[in-house]
Amino acid sequence: EAQVTQNPRYLITVTGKKLTVTCSQNMNHEYMSWYRQDPGLGLRQIYYSMNVEVTDKGDVPEGYKVSRKEKRNFPLILESPSPNQTSLYFCASSLYPGEETQYFGPGTRLLVL
Amino acid sequence: AQKITQTQPGMFVQEKEAVTLDCTYDTSDPSYGLFWYKQPSSGEMIFLIYQGSYDQQNATEGRYSLNFQKARKSANLVISASQLGDSAMYFCAMRERNTGRRALTFGSGTRLQVQP
Repeated sequence: EAQVTQNPRYLITVTGKKLTVTCSQNMNHEYMSWYRQDPGLGLRQIYYSMNVEVTDKGDVPEGYKVSRKEKRNFPLILESPSPNQTSLYFCASSLYPGEETQYFGPGTRLLVL
Repeated sequence: AQKITQTQPGMFVQEKEAVTLDCTYDTSDPSYGLFWYKQPSSGEMIFLIYQGSYDQQNATEGRYSLNFQKARKSANLVISASQLGDSAMYFCAMRERNTGRRALTFGSGTRLQVQP
């Protein structure tokens, strides 16, 4: 089944404890992206990747890192999480950058205490 | 400036009736895509329908159709024969082809409640 998977789906952590949210797609998509969704602010892009080893900042990159060592995986790293990073996170991918549809993972609900 | 505007925070519709969710957009890029996503209470983002800026025909996918009026910069979603399972948040989004990030820009969403 073609899909984008994320893990974990739910995570409660404490300030300063490094964490990684994994994202994997099995559709051979070139473009991958991370978004966060917050009440009243909608969905905002954190980072994106046009292809392997090519990543760049989105609207709200502060406090996050990403890597794209393989085409299928695009992990989101929070080196020192803070309470303002409590949010719903989505990974998304599309075959190519451009107009093509982005397919979303199931989301990761993160609570930073 | 808001790139995607959804002016209806909430809508009610009776089961089996049709409903239109409004979306207007703003862009100077001649090449772009318009999307609608559904987000049920469980939280996932489900792709519903896509319209390209150069498409001549309005997009349709089952009970979903997109009423694309390019000159008015509107991309309304029409759901025919509403079902209880259609109750969810609906987001309109745009992706500009010629911007570097190729990000989706989302509207603020419309919460649809289907009543029996």
